[in-house]
Amino acid sequence: EIVLTQSPGTLSLSPGERATLSCRASQSITSNSLAWYQQNPGQAPRLLIYGASRRVTGIPDRFSGSGSGTDFTLTISSLEPEDFAVYHCQQYGSSPVTFGGGTKVEVK
Amino acid sequence: QVQLVQSGGEVKQPGASVKVSCKASGYNFGSYGIHWVRQGPGQGLEYMGWISAYNGHTSFAQKFQGSLTMTTDTSTSTAFMELRSLTSDDTAVYYCARGIAWLSSLEYWGQGTLITVSS
Repeated sequence: EIVLTQSPGTLSLSPGERATLSCRASQSITSNSLAWYQQNPGQAPRLLIYGASRRVTGIPDRFSGSGSGTDFTLTISSLEPEDFAVYHCQQYGSSPVTFGGGTKVEVK
Repeated sequence: QVQLVQSGGEVKQPGASVKVSCKASGYNFGSYGIHWVRQGPGQGLEYMGWISAYNGHTSFAQKFQGSLTMTTDTSTSTAFMELRSLTSDDTAVYYCARGIAWLSSLEYWGQGTLITVSS
């Protein structure tokens, strides 16, 4: 199965700063089938990005995804207070579907 | 609007089974699949498996082969996940989520169901 490694584990930033989250796969992900989710405490995950770079309708354009093959990045251009959360990547190009361990974006 | 509403939390003894329901509304139930994902306390997301609401085909993560059953009731647009032989390691929040296919991103999620396994 494809193992996804997210880094860093925790990112300490201030509102207005740029956040760069990494998701690295143990093997190439078919058709860039990589998604990003945001999760707040006590809530279900929310899909932000699919197909590595396609933003879900209604997601602010400060969120962007990039990458291909084994290296993917989620960028939040300027952090808003509501963006401090845990972010998960998911690959759905090969069975079984797998998730990364998550990156927590916290207020510095 | 699309909604997935899950059954309430439960406490189970080790060795027991649990069945969680996920009632869908706001879309054609048979046109999508339902995926199940769990999250242990303070842990990341763990993928469990998928069921097609169209024909009942399933695909499970290897870890859950033999202990997991997924079913659907198209008359009520409800999906079910049953996990058997529970241990304390199965204590988690269980989520259902809608996916277009067996391998897909998950745009709509249920609210989660906390299953606690404890003697």
